[in-house]
Amino acid sequence: RKEVEQDPGPFNVPEGATVAFNCTYSNSASQSFFWYRQDCRKEPKLLMSVYSSGNEDGRFTAQLNRASQYISLLIRDSKLSDSATYLCVVNTGGNMLTFGGGTRLMVKP
Amino acid sequence: AAGVIQSPRHLIKEKRETATLKCYPIPRHDTVYWYQQGPGQDPQFLISFYEKMQSDKGSIPDRFSAQQFSDYHSELNMSSLELGDSALYFCASSLRRIQETQYFGPGTRLLVL
Repeated sequence: RKEVEQDPGPFNVPEGATVAFNCTYSNSASQSFFWYRQDCRKEPKLLMSVYSSGNEDGRFTAQLNRASQYISLLIRDSKLSDSATYLCVVNTGGNMLTFGGGTRLMVKP
Repeated sequence: AAGVIQSPRHLIKEKRETATLKCYPIPRHDTVYWYQQGPGQDPQFLISFYEKMQSDKGSIPDRFSAQQFSDYHSELNMSSLELGDSALYFCASSLRRIQETQYFGPGTRLLVL
């Protein structure tokens, strides 16, 4: 079983839709959590950090549930440019990042 | 803002050859990380350096070695290359003392023939 698990998708949604991604992690000692975005053949780019209190950045909202070891990302009013792979990333200690397999999103006109 | 710089961006080698990948972190960042991303896979942590000392070690093969220099740039040395080493190699950097998040470079695409 992978340390960080995500539904690989793809999620095919129309422009303007709201879409939610989920992620679970197995190491209860994990310290920090992130969502990264990766476009095809490009580097992962930090989308947002995830905090227990939940945090929002424009159309993006991230939530962390430590008790359930569960992380979510909500994207509102999807744009064509949101099409990418979204990586759930966990710092399991010592600043080593463990990546989930990624969830592929395709936003269609 | 300055980002992580990696060179070369593309590299083609033959089996059993050696390769050296370079990484220049964001200015003032003191920690460098190396990741390998195979086709269709997620990035896998290889090794990291903090203040020129090895910090953490992941799934780095014994054929690979790395170091961080006094100017904080890092090099990943790969010897006896195998076909399975073909992948994207990302370097990331951070400012460790405040547990800052990692910022990735554009990667080096290595193809072993």
